[in-house]
Amino acid sequence: GAVVSQHPSRVICKSGTSVKIECRSLDFQATTMFWYRQFPKQSLMLMATSNEGSKATYEQGVEKDKFLINHASLTLSTLTVTSAHPEDSSFYICSARDLGTGHQDTQYFGPGTRLTVL
Amino acid sequence: SQQGEEDPQALSIQEGENATMNCSYKTSINNLQWYRQNSGRGLVHLILIRSNEREKHSGRLRVTLDTSKKSSSLLITASRAADTASYFCATDPPGGNKLVFGAGTILRVKS
Repeated sequence: GAVVSQHPSRVICKSGTSVKIECRSLDFQATTMFWYRQFPKQSLMLMATSNEGSKATYEQGVEKDKFLINHASLTLSTLTVTSAHPEDSSFYICSARDLGTGHQDTQYFGPGTRLTVL
Repeated sequence: SQQGEEDPQALSIQEGENATMNCSYKTSINNLQWYRQNSGRGLVHLILIRSNEREKHSGRLRVTLDTSKKSSSLLITASRAADTASYFCATDPPGGNKLVFGAGTILRVKS
């Protein structure tokens, strides 16, 4: 199946700093990628939809100036958590749809990035 | 809430037993998908069932869908310790481009 990678897998940063997380589709092109966050023992909450070449669409309650999303190519989307605070500590997961014939309905998920803000 | 309901929230069974997890949702859908997540890891796609399908099988997995009741179930037969994980259903609404996840069921299979 299609593979999505994330980097880094784990990051610890000081409060007030910015952290960039990369999401790559390794063997397919993805015009649309999705960013989720997941708190311990909870489900995934969609933060935003990342569209290649255009602005991201943010879910209600998600601050677009705090969570900057850039989707510069068909295989790469980045999420930057700006001025991170301890409450931003979470598991961030990206996903992508494979737009190849017969696979449009399936989202492939990255392995996640564990962010800890001290 | 964007999430549907899943039950049970947690399930503990012995190896070899069957595990059944249920999912209910609120809106019409194109399809419903089940995912598995090992602790601290990403999600693995298990199976997709379309709105015009009622049952689907994949190995030891059996998924049913009842659109009139807006519910689905995932059955894992002959469970193994390696099946221990969290299981999520996710619905794909018409016209949307995004999945809506249920709250998840934590499955523990004891050997």
